[in-house]
This record gives sequence, C-alpha cells and structure tokens, in this order.
Amino acid sequence: KAGVTQTPRYLIKTRGQQVTLSCSPISGHRSVSWYQQTPGQGLQFLFEYFSETQRNKGNFPGRFSGRQFSNSRSEMNVSTLELGDSALYLCASSLMGYNEQFFGPGTRLTVL
Amino acid sequence: KNEVEQSPQNLTAQEGEFITINCSYSVGISALHWLQQHPGGGIVSLFMLSSGKKKHGRLIATINIQEKHSSLHITASHPRDSAVYICSLHRGTGNQFYFGTGTSLTVIP
Repeated sequence: KAGVTQTPRYLIKTRGQQVTLSCSPISGHRSVSWYQQTPGQGLQFLFEYFSETQRNKGNFPGRFSGRQFSNSRSEMNVSTLELGDSALYLCASSLMGYNEQFFGPGTRLTVL
Repeated sequence: KNEVEQSPQNLTAQEGEFITINCSYSVGISALHWLQQHPGGGIVSLFMLSSGKKKHGRLIATINIQEKHSSLHITASHPRDSAVYICSLHRGTGNQFYFGTGTSLTVIP
C-alpha cells in the first residue's frame, strides 16, 4: 500500500501571497489531519477532515483553511502569508481519526 | 499551560545504553501515541497506548492512566535510534491531538 504523499515538498513564497498544499492519504483512510511544526512551537494541530467535512479545528486564524474531496485527498490553504507561517506542514491519515495515524513527509514552506 | 510535558528535552547516550523518555499529561485521554521523527522531518508512529504496556523489538512503551504518565524505553540503544521522540495525546472529545515538545536523542557509537 502506498503511504501518505504530500505535494509540493518544498515551497518558497513571499509575504501576502497565498499557498495551497496537497495531501493524498493511504487508500481506504477517511480521516486526514493537518499539523504545523515550527522550532518554537513544535507540532500543533490545524484541523481534521473526515468524509469531506471538517470535524475538528485547532487554534489557528481563519487564514488557514482546508477541504477534503470525495476520494479523501485533502488540501490546505493559507492566505495572506506572514513570515511566521514558515514551517513544516504535515498531514496524517487514519482509518477513522482515532486510530493510528500515518504521516506524510511534509511540505516545508518558507515565507520571505 | 501545556497539557503534555516531556522529559528530558535532550538526551545523549552511548551505544548499548538503556534509555527512558517520560511523558506526563494533565487531561483525560482516549489514547497516547509515541512518535519518532528523524532529521528531514518524516514522522513514524511507534506506539498507540490506552493502557498497560507494548513492546516492539527494542522499544517498550508503558502507560499509567491513573498517574497520567507514560514512558518510552529503548533497550540496547543504537546510533540509528537518534531522532526526536514526541509524545502525543488523543482526546476523544473533539478528536484532537496534543503534542509534547519532543525529546532529542543522540546515540553515540
């Protein structure tokens, strides 16, 4: 079975731009969660999607949004990028959300 | 206030040593996960625990629900064990995950 894939792996943007990151879960997994990892804050939960619905959301501003498609693939979008958004963005998939999570390799976003 | 506290933050060990990483938490949980992150970013889930003890190869994870404490042990440590180990809580309510700040382990040959 193929693992979780994320595209792109690296991204450089400038302040004010917007960005869309993509995550393809393991086949059969219905839950996709997104996380932000920075040296200062560590791993932080962004949101979780299950069957095309946002089921849970972390404490991030509205500039961070996401969606999930019928094939369980998920995208997250960050608008009006700030320098502080530079981070590793990880997605993880699981069967139902409360099972073991399988992480993708991450997208490293640099905002200049 | 951080719901999850890990110790130590950094750990250097000689190859072959027995290693213990601790995780204490302050909220009710449905499960606790131990994650391993190698340089470069990839995260692997090592264990998911809701009670008792699990063993996989040289790795052992235990959890005491009453004391809200979990430990990850590595027996006969090896340089390839060098990584960051992260404790993660799963709260059934809201299906959210909370993370410790991680323990950076370096095993010297």
